[in-house]
Amino acid sequence: DAKTTQPTSMDCAEGRAANLPCNHSTISGNEYVYWYRQIHSQGPQYIIHGLKNNETNEMASLIITEDRKSSTLILPHATLRDTAVYYCIVRVDSGGSNYKLTFGKGTLLTVNP
Amino acid sequence: GAGVSQTPSNKVTEKGKYVELRCDPISGHTALYWYRQSLGQGPEFLIYFQGTGAADDSGLPNDRFFAVRPEGSVSTLKIQRTERGDSAVYLCASSRGGKGETQYFGPGTRLLVL
Repeated sequence: DAKTTQPTSMDCAEGRAANLPCNHSTISGNEYVYWYRQIHSQGPQYIIHGLKNNETNEMASLIITEDRKSSTLILPHATLRDTAVYYCIVRVDSGGSNYKLTFGKGTLLTVNP
Repeated sequence: GAGVSQTPSNKVTEKGKYVELRCDPISGHTALYWYRQSLGQGPEFLIYFQGTGAADDSGLPNDRFFAVRPEGSVSTLKIQRTERGDSAVYLCASSRGGKGETQYFGPGTRLLVL
């Protein structure tokens, strides 16, 4: 699976949008971008994933650049409960050894009051 | 519906002892995964089950670690002769099918080996 690069930490004011970047310049054409987050002392929580089109669900939006070498996770109105480590992962969705999720160190997002 | 559950939530043991960690996947999920997370690191893959069989155990660090899933639902991760370096959070995840399906994680078991 392709390697991802994320900033170590970010801060965001409560109520504002949080934009978390991820670089995945070696992504292959059949690899999806997944985002998980991990709130302190909890297991990772699935947020969203996409291939090349932008995606939105009740939690977040995922914007993938046209060349697919980077993406941004957007939390439109961050709350204190969104403080967590956010992981960007790329993974093939069919065939091969694609069941493994390869986590990096992620981005620690701190939402401030 | 109910998510992935893991028991115990915390386990303290002494070096050299045997421990068992249990995972109850989401009902109907055929795939089950174990990961281990050391302090300050992201989770690392240990083993993947599809049904009752271990499809990939390449992440198990050594032969002290073993996992079973005899009826294709509940899984137990077993660690023999525990060492202090085994201290970590052990995470279980399940997915509806196998390859490519979204994995949903449990809260983890925090293992401390004294």
